[in-house]
Amino acid sequence: ILNVEQSPQSLHVQEGDSTNFTCSFPSSNFYALHWYRWETAKSPEALFVMTLNGDEKKKGRISATLNTKEGYSYLYIKGSQPEDSATYLCAFRGYSSASKIIFGSGTRLSIRP
Amino acid sequence: GAVVSQHPSWVICKSGTSVKIECRSLDFQATTMFWYRQFPKQSLMLMATSNEGSKATYEQGVEKDKFLINHASLTLSTLTVTSAHPEDSSFYICSALSGTGVHEQYFGPGTRLTVT
Repeated sequence: ILNVEQSPQSLHVQEGDSTNFTCSFPSSNFYALHWYRWETAKSPEALFVMTLNGDEKKKGRISATLNTKEGYSYLYIKGSQPEDSATYLCAFRGYSSASKIIFGSGTRLSIRP
Repeated sequence: GAVVSQHPSWVICKSGTSVKIECRSLDFQATTMFWYRQFPKQSLMLMATSNEGSKATYEQGVEKDKFLINHASLTLSTLTVTSAHPEDSSFYICSALSGTGVHEQYFGPGTRLTVT
């Protein structure tokens, strides 16, 4: 059974502070790791898809790193803003480009003004 | 970016009735769509993979006769919850595979189903 775990489950951060959270996934048969941002009442929004060990991706104040050998990815948010409040999901895809995506349970981030 | 719509966004139905949920890719063709279900405070659980023009592939533990999936065109997949029961109350969300690069999935906004 493939297991994708995210920690922490929830996080409260003061506006302006930086934060990060973790996604752990199987280290074998890795194909891709996805990060999504999911705001209430909206569709999950794709942030990053990473495929290579050591990948680092950045989008504005949000960045992500990938370690496929040890099976983890970090998502970093620099200078948190209220609009960053959302649930951040990671998802693991193994074996091939057509295989299904296994989601973690998400990290719910709340930014305090 | 690619847009996926889902209809209805919420629905309340009585036990024993059937409910159809539509998932549409608005600006791209999707040969593959996925249906997920989310229980409170849990992750998105894949229910089935829907391929245009062929039968859906259901995940273990998902009753195919209860959750009927039809993918009649490259832009539309439907999920019908038949003979709904209160335990079917959940959040259902679809996604469509873009078919490019590492096959990014684009999600609909989801449907909240409540069975009374």
